[in-house]
Amino acid sequence: DADVTQTPRNRITKTGKRIMLECSQTKGHDRMYWYRQDPGLGLRLIYYSFDVKDINKGEISDGYSVSRQAQAKFSLSLESAIPNQTALYFCATSDMGEGITGELFFGEGSRLTVL
Amino acid sequence: QKEVEQDPGPLSVPEGAIVSLNCTYSNSAFQYFMWYRQYSRKGPELLMYTYSSGNKEDGRFTAQVDKSSKYISLFIRDSQPSDSATYLCAMRYNQAGTALIFGKGTTLSVSS
Repeated sequence: DADVTQTPRNRITKTGKRIMLECSQTKGHDRMYWYRQDPGLGLRLIYYSFDVKDINKGEISDGYSVSRQAQAKFSLSLESAIPNQTALYFCATSDMGEGITGELFFGEGSRLTVL
Repeated sequence: QKEVEQDPGPLSVPEGAIVSLNCTYSNSAFQYFMWYRQYSRKGPELLMYTYSSGNKEDGRFTAQVDKSSKYISLFIRDSQPSDSATYLCAMRYNQAGTALIFGKGTTLSVSS
């Protein structure tokens, strides 16, 4: 089984609908992240969490919210989806502490299409 | 100006060629430099990691950091069709509480 699991892997929805993307991990890492990837724009950070009580906005948090339900679970919500939120979304985890490289471990991605 | 700039390509080379991938950055506070490789329909995976300046070699891959020029490179020797992927540079500050900043990624195609 994958260490970082994202559900759903593919989703097509309509403008205005509420969407939740879920991420769970078995790596035991404290840090979790949500990125979106768009052609020509690369990976952009939406939100990140360094522990269950810590939530931080990233570069492009407008229109998104997150919930860290447990150390192993981090979900991303689009309260009212719009077409320009059509993208490939990645969840990632990392270890923490000085001397740690901060290597990110990514899930396989959730492709979201908003019509 | 974005903090990290990377030419998206695409870059097409024949098998066996030497490939050079590059990123420039604007913030001299970056200390940790990484290269991730992403195959189609997969998440990125760490390929190389370098702290501060210098070179690091791992098999056919060499990562190079030139902090004076704010320039990092990834060299692939004897490129193989299995190297066809998108390569993303990433970097972060020398602080425990910061997240990685990624370049846009360069798409490489190696033909046999």
